[in-house]
Amino acid sequence: AQSVTQLGSHVSVSEGALVLLRCNYSSSVPPYLFWYVQYPNQGLQLLLKYTTGATLVKGINGFEAEFKKSETSFHLTKPSAHMSDAAEYFCAVSVAGRRALTFGSGTRLQVQP
Amino acid sequence: DTAVSQTPKYLVTQMGNDKSIKCEQNLGHDTMYWYKQDSKKFLKIMFSYNNKELIINETVPNRFSPKSPDKAHLNLHINSLELGDSAVYFCASSQGPKEADTQYFGPGTRLTVL
Repeated sequence: AQSVTQLGSHVSVSEGALVLLRCNYSSSVPPYLFWYVQYPNQGLQLLLKYTTGATLVKGINGFEAEFKKSETSFHLTKPSAHMSDAAEYFCAVSVAGRRALTFGSGTRLQVQP
Repeated sequence: DTAVSQTPKYLVTQMGNDKSIKCEQNLGHDTMYWYKQDSKKFLKIMFSYNNKELIINETVPNRFSPKSPDKAHLNLHINSLELGDSAVYFCASSQGPKEADTQYFGPGTRLTVL
């Protein structure tokens, strides 16, 4: 069975600083990987996803993530944090034969002025 | 236009009652899902339908019954509500049931059982 681990339930950065949110997955078959963002009292919005091909994936709002098979990681980064980035971020995985997302426990990003 | 909509947004009810949550998508997608988000923000799949056919039925109490009258709608009926059912329930849809398909989420329904 596949699983997702997000290291750090809370991450705090200063405005303008690098954002790094960590995600590691476990899967015996090639995974499809997703990052979603959830703003307070809202649904989830896709930031980016990796399916096949280029391992560096660019998403919306300046976010990107790199799929590293050797490290079973899919960390999310943004060069410069903005106050509007404050939200809950979820990493998720799906695999062939499992037509639903398995989510990590989420990371709350705080951006300090 | 709201792509995936849910009603109601908030639902407060007593233990033992029966309630329904409705979901509609106007994206023309074939596949719809119900997820439950608990108080610790953990999200877990409950059900999925593809073209009105149930394709995922996780270990969920049989008090929960999904119904898909057509591929644009997926409703969730809950019988004999319990305190532990309090959560946020999200509906989602995707183009198809493929694992790489992006899922689009609704705004959620916050259910509080007293």
